[in-house]
Amino acid sequence: QQQVKQSPQSLIVQKGGISIINCAYENTAFDYFPWYQQFPGKGPALLIAIRPDVSEKKEGRFTISFNKSAKQFSLHIMDSQPGDSATYFCAASIIQGAQKLVFGQGTRLTINP
Amino acid sequence: GAVVSQHPSWVICKSGTSVKIECRSLDFQATTMFWYRQFPKQSLMLMATSNEGSKATYEQGVEKDKFLINHASLTLSTLTVTSAHPEDSSFYICSAPLRLVLEETQYFGPGTRLLVL
Repeated sequence: QQQVKQSPQSLIVQKGGISIINCAYENTAFDYFPWYQQFPGKGPALLIAIRPDVSEKKEGRFTISFNKSAKQFSLHIMDSQPGDSATYFCAASIIQGAQKLVFGQGTRLTINP
Repeated sequence: GAVVSQHPSWVICKSGTSVKIECRSLDFQATTMFWYRQFPKQSLMLMATSNEGSKATYEQGVEKDKFLINHASLTLSTLTVTSAHPEDSSFYICSAPLRLVLEETQYFGPGTRLLVL
């Protein structure tokens, strides 16, 4: 019940295209859903996060779509650029709890020029 | 945003020795910090929660005598890998949560790559 399932495992998108990564969770107590971007040899960096009281959040080219009833959320990267090539992790946690993040398995995104 | 640092960024040691990794929150205080382990091409695996002023809590399957955690102050947590062996070689990452009024963000350190020969 603590798992967060992420797909696809890897994704190749042409420059300028839309990259879409999906995540699903089971624990309905989760109330914080961040996305992290990680480059090789670096720590994860927060990209964007959403709370379950909204269905969508947009920051620049990055958008999170959240479907509470389906217990799913996704990351959309518009106008994907080669610099976006990285591994993306979705995560979930309970803010009022121990604040522990449960991570998805990760998606290796490659943007072809 | 807030900054979390780790030291060293990489370390090579001989089997049987102990290695200490430091995690610091540079511009905010953190009563809780988290330690993760990441193998190549895999996700982050939470090892333990470091609590300032009290004992760390370890995830199931993580040996507390093997991975000693000390949260010495509100800005510093250390992870000591005792009697390191080649299978302990991994990328170790810490994080610290920063809770503001309406949101919380967990900031990660740059990671420490450990290679045990």
